[in-house]
Amino acid sequence: QKEVEQDPGPLSVPEGAIVSLNCTYSNSAFQYFMWYRQYSRKGPELLMYTYSSGNKEDGRFTAQVDKSSKYISLFIRDSQPSDSATYLCAMKDFGNEKLTFGTGTRLTIIP
Amino acid sequence: EAEVAQSPRYKITEKSQAVAFWCDPISGHATLYWYRQILGQGPELLVQFQDESVVDDSQLPKDRFSAERLKGVDSTLKIQPAELGDSAMYLCASSLARLTGELFFGEGSRLTVL
Repeated sequence: QKEVEQDPGPLSVPEGAIVSLNCTYSNSAFQYFMWYRQYSRKGPELLMYTYSSGNKEDGRFTAQVDKSSKYISLFIRDSQPSDSATYLCAMKDFGNEKLTFGTGTRLTIIP
Repeated sequence: EAEVAQSPRYKITEKSQAVAFWCDPISGHATLYWYRQILGQGPELLVQFQDESVVDDSQLPKDRFSAERLKGVDSTLKIQPAELGDSAMYLCASSLARLTGELFFGEGSRLTVL
């Protein structure tokens, strides 16, 4: 079993819809949780960053962490075609600099 | 806006040949990472530098891969000899703050081994 599980998709939704992306993990030591966005043929870019449990909102993006369920989510409101990309979850524990990534979910927003 | 520079963007080589990738991190970023991303998978860490020192190379196939960061700035990743299974995107990343996971990635070097 992988430490981090992420549905690879692909996921297609109409423009304006709310998108929900999620990851589950098995390592209870993970404390830092990130979402990276990766456009085709580009490197990943950090989208959201949270520490421990709770919610974090940034514009149309909301990240949620539920450590009790070992489950993290990324919500995208009012989705735009420019949101079409692969979304990678990543996480790490305190004191260890190594990031463990999910496989990524490929998202397409249909105009 | 400061960026992580990588070259070449694309490299096609035959198996058993040597290949090298170069990375210039964002100025002031002491930590540099090389990741490998196979198509359809998430990035996996190959090696991490803090300044010129290797912090973690536990996942680096040392029989054929080598990495250096001689002056603690730019870095080179080498593969010799290349194998078919090495076809992947090689991503360089750097970070300013340690232990937070806030990495800045370059655009990557896509390697195809024939």
